[in-house]
Amino acid sequence: DVVMTQSPLSLPVTLGQPASISCRSSQGLVYSDGNTFLNWFQQRPGQSPRRLIYKVSNRDSGVPDRFSGSGSGTDFTLKISRVEAEDVGVYYCMQGTHWPPKYTFGQGTRLEIK
Amino acid sequence: EVQLLESGGGLVQPGGSLRLSCAASGFTFSSYAMSWVRQVPGKGLEWVSVISANTYSTHYADSVKGRFTISRDNSMNTLFLQMNNLRAEDTAVYYCAKDGWGPDYWGQGTLVTVSS
Repeated sequence: DVVMTQSPLSLPVTLGQPASISCRSSQGLVYSDGNTFLNWFQQRPGQSPRRLIYKVSNRDSGVPDRFSGSGSGTDFTLKISRVEAEDVGVYYCMQGTHWPPKYTFGQGTRLEIK
Repeated sequence: EVQLLESGGGLVQPGGSLRLSCAASGFTFSSYAMSWVRQVPGKGLEWVSVISANTYSTHYADSVKGRFTISRDNSMNTLFLQMNNLRAEDTAVYYCAKDGWGPDYWGQGTLVTVSS
């Protein structure tokens, strides 16, 4: 099975400063059709997960443009250009290229305000 | 607006059964695959099962294979998860999720507690 490894696991950030989360997969995530099924989710305290980014770099509807995704192959990054208080929560990467299992999540990165 | 509303969670003894439901609205339910994803309180996300839009294809995590069955009723816009022979390690919040290049919209979850 593909293993998704996130770093750091805890990320204290000052309001207004940038933040970056890394996600590394144990196998390359390019599917046979050329797509790379790597998504990012945000889970605020007490809430359900919300998808932010799909297929590496595509922002979902309503997601602020301070969130961006990048990467290729086995190395991917979620960046927040200027952290706001509402960004506190846990962020997960997820791959959907290699299955079974259908989807594999990273361990999560907890973002907090310093 | 996409809405997913899970129900059916609760307290069950080890070896017992539960059936979760997920009522969907705001999109053409019969056109999308649907998944169940679970989360032990305070822990990470674990994909459990997926069913294709037409119900012909289902897949399960190894941890639940042979014990859980996913199904759907496209006429009722409802997704189900039949959980049998439940174990303590199945205790979690269970989310249903619409599938669009991976889970895109998620419900609020329903808590399943397996304990004697």
